[in-house]
Amino acid sequence: GQNIDQPTEMTATEGAIVQINCTYQTSGFNGLFWYQQHAGEAPTFLSYNVLDGLEEKGRFSSFLSRSKGYSYLLLKELQMKDSASYLCAVTDSNYQLIWGAGTKLIIKP
Amino acid sequence: GAVVSQHPSRVICKSGTSVKIECRSLDFQATTMFWYRQFPKKSLMLMATSNEGSKATYEQGVEKDKFLINHASLTLSTLTVTSAHPEDSSFYICSARGLDRDTEAFFGQGTRLTVV
Repeated sequence: GQNIDQPTEMTATEGAIVQINCTYQTSGFNGLFWYQQHAGEAPTFLSYNVLDGLEEKGRFSSFLSRSKGYSYLLLKELQMKDSASYLCAVTDSNYQLIWGAGTKLIIKP
Repeated sequence: GAVVSQHPSRVICKSGTSVKIECRSLDFQATTMFWYRQFPKKSLMLMATSNEGSKATYEQGVEKDKFLINHASLTLSTLTVTSAHPEDSSFYICSARGLDRDTEAFFGQGTRLTVV
């Protein structure tokens, strides 16, 4: 079966750095997405990785290792507004989006 | 980024009635649209995938006759919840993707459905 694993919940301190991991087992691979979702709102796009390596975009960076079936989202200089759920999603060989359950990130002052 | 508009954002209906939710891609042609349902504190649950001009592909466990999906044009897909019951109350979200399947899917704002 197809499976994406990410931690259910994480807690971090304002101003710190947090890394949210995502491992996947899918039928083929055509890209990995990270989305941010605040409670009661639709997800918003954060990043897309299709090749191995690190993609940096401001305070957020996303890393991919296809051989390991592994990605992480790195958030720096955490702000209170970063409190949200972070969803990892993989596009399989049929270009179907497979979603992880999401990681709820709690930021404390 | 591209804009996907979902309407209505909130709807309250009586049990037994039907509700239609619209999802429009405003500035691109959405060859594929996805409909999700999300329960509180849960991740997205894909209900169905629709390609313009063809029948929607429903996920296992999703009732086709209850959740009618129409994708008649490249900019509009609709989800109709027929004979709604309180257990259908949920947050429904659509997303749309263009011809390039390597790009992200853009999400609508979501619809909070409450059946009383």
